[in-house]
Amino acid sequence: DSGVTQTPKHLITATGQRVTLRCSPRSGDLSVYWYQQSLDQGLQFLIHYYNGEERAKGNILERFSAQQFPDLHSELNLSSLELGDSALYFCASSPYRDYGYTFGSGTRLTVV
Amino acid sequence: AQSVTQLDSQVPVFEEAPVELRCNYSSSVSVYLFWYVQYPNQGLQLLLKYLSGSTLVKGINGFEAEFNKSQTSFHLRKPSVHISDTAEYFCAVSERTGRRALTFGSGTRLQVQP
Repeated sequence: DSGVTQTPKHLITATGQRVTLRCSPRSGDLSVYWYQQSLDQGLQFLIHYYNGEERAKGNILERFSAQQFPDLHSELNLSSLELGDSALYFCASSPYRDYGYTFGSGTRLTVV
Repeated sequence: AQSVTQLDSQVPVFEEAPVELRCNYSSSVSVYLFWYVQYPNQGLQLLLKYLSGSTLVKGINGFEAEFNKSQTSFHLRKPSVHISDTAEYFCAVSERTGRRALTFGSGTRLQVQP
């Protein structure tokens, strides 16, 4: 157990639908990062939150959004889903000014 | 912006043989360097990281990596591999200042054969 908890582990949904992926960071870590892993794109950085504030955006689609709550857990919202959104979505956390990143076990999203 | 190139998509090796997984990076700023391992159906686990100091970094499971600034490389090595080392290995970089998100390479699949 890495200390980073992601739920659900698996999600199957239809095109056009909206889903929410949840991440609880390791205790004490203020930063949360979201990544997408797919066969064709590899591991792509989506977005970074630090203590509730958005810090950086990567290759995140406009249909996707995220937020980090006061208790530091984060949610990634994916809407108007397309077949190509099928991927593994990882959350990682790190403490401020320490460049170690701890990854969760991921959520496997399948869009049918 | 940074980029990471992992030169080998697959590396087959026999058990107890040495192995080197190659990683080269490109960046206009100073970076930190990482190697992660991903076992089938699992998340990414940190093997080792280079932040500063000695350019030879030792990690978990007997792996080590050497940072070569002039060649912008960070190759991963293990003197003797086990069947259990079969996994996907990812090299990654992040900026020392500014954006801290990791940029990953495309991964190298290490296949250890008996």
